[in-house]
Amino acid sequence: QKEVEQNSGPLSVPEGAIASLNCTYSDRGSQSFFWYRQYSGKSPELIMFIYSNGDKEDGRFTAQLNKASQYVSLLIRDSQPSDSATYLCAAPAGNKLTFGGGTRVLVKP
Amino acid sequence: DGGITQSPKYLFRKEGQNVTLSCEQNLNHDAMYWYRQDPGQGLRLIYYSQIVNDFQKGDIAEGYSVSREKKESFPLTVTSAQKNPTAFYLCASSIVDGAGGYQETQYFGPGTRLLVL
Repeated sequence: QKEVEQNSGPLSVPEGAIASLNCTYSDRGSQSFFWYRQYSGKSPELIMFIYSNGDKEDGRFTAQLNKASQYVSLLIRDSQPSDSATYLCAAPAGNKLTFGGGTRVLVKP
Repeated sequence: DGGITQSPKYLFRKEGQNVTLSCEQNLNHDAMYWYRQDPGQGLRLIYYSQIVNDFQKGDIAEGYSVSREKKESFPLTVTSAQKNPTAFYLCASSIVDGAGGYQETQYFGPGTRLLVL
């Protein structure tokens, strides 16, 4: 079983809709979680991090963490074509981060 | 400006050749990391270092070597033993303040694309 799993997509959403991305992790001891956005050919950039159960909002992005069920999700509200990218979920494994394979999101005008 | 730089942007390797990828950071971060990314895949950890003169193997260290002689620098050498080196190589850094399942945010450089001739 992979330590961090994501649906590879592509997740196709119309412009203005909500994109919902999910990520599951296997290490129950993990306490911090990260969402990165990666445009094609570029390096990942941090969008959100979350430590506590519940929701964390930053602009159009909301991260949701459920430690009991071992999943973390990312909602993108009012999706824009510029949100088209691959979104990587990351969770700690010991003293390093483990990344999921990424979910490719396509926002169609 | 604080940040992470990687060079070169593109690198070509001939058969049997060792090549070195540069990574420099001026963020005063203690920890540095090297990842490999294959097309359509996530990131896989090659090596990481949390302090000068010390480093640990990641999940795919075979065929690679690193050094950490300065806090700011963490070069990666792709040796001739790495039979399939074509990939996008990413360097990252972070502070070291995590404990008990926590990790600090990792910040990435722009990457080096390695191609085999």
